[in-house]
Amino acid sequence: GAGVSQSPSNKVTEKGKDVELRCDPISGHTALYWYRQSLGQGLEFLIYFQGNSAPDKSGLPSDRFSAERTGGSVSTLTIQRTQQEDSAVYLCASSSFGLAGASSGANVLTFGAGSRLTVL
Amino acid sequence: AQSVTQPDIHITVSEGASLELRCNYSYGATPYLFWYVQSPGQGLQLLLKYFSGDTLVQGIKGFEAEFKRSQSSFNLRKPSVHWSDAAEYFCAALTSGYALNFGKGTSLLVTP
Repeated sequence: GAGVSQSPSNKVTEKGKDVELRCDPISGHTALYWYRQSLGQGLEFLIYFQGNSAPDKSGLPSDRFSAERTGGSVSTLTIQRTQQEDSAVYLCASSSFGLAGASSGANVLTFGAGSRLTVL
Repeated sequence: AQSVTQPDIHITVSEGASLELRCNYSYGATPYLFWYVQSPGQGLQLLLKYFSGDTLVQGIKGFEAEFKRSQSSFNLRKPSVHWSDAAEYFCAALTSGYALNFGKGTSLLVTP
């Protein structure tokens, strides 16, 4: 597609429920990122996918968080047994190359509009 | 630890006035540097980036940023602010590894 698409745009759930957030990256982009943006905070890195390589999960805050990327395209971020502190905007981004090659000048993240999660 | 600091949480400027948003980084080596803007309800949009070379970088929407190695800074500037510039601005940095590291953002309010 023309941009990075995320769904749902808004999700309200009860504490303890599982939620899934979806990201459709730009077609052809091999790199995909998830970030979390809490109120008054910066962007917290969660996970990074690059092609068929093992994902960098170093930013996931707990084992309740997981993510998949199927067929090198669509990604799903799953939060199990949600807690109130999980309330945030979850942002997905994609790029044409992994940022390790940033010196080429071509590796810039394009962000989706985000999924706002509210845990009651 | 590697970090990006935006000292100003909120800034208010009058329309037509000049703007400077501060960004400092703490890295062992000079990182790649970026400024992003986030309008309400929107995703982040890249304003400009610095990888190497000329320390004054031009971006979209009339923004520019200057890399100063001696001050570990990458401040964003605009000569004349428009009401549509009201948004959240994020500075970000990257060195080895893949995670783009963001500052906590500066919220810009533009008054008539």
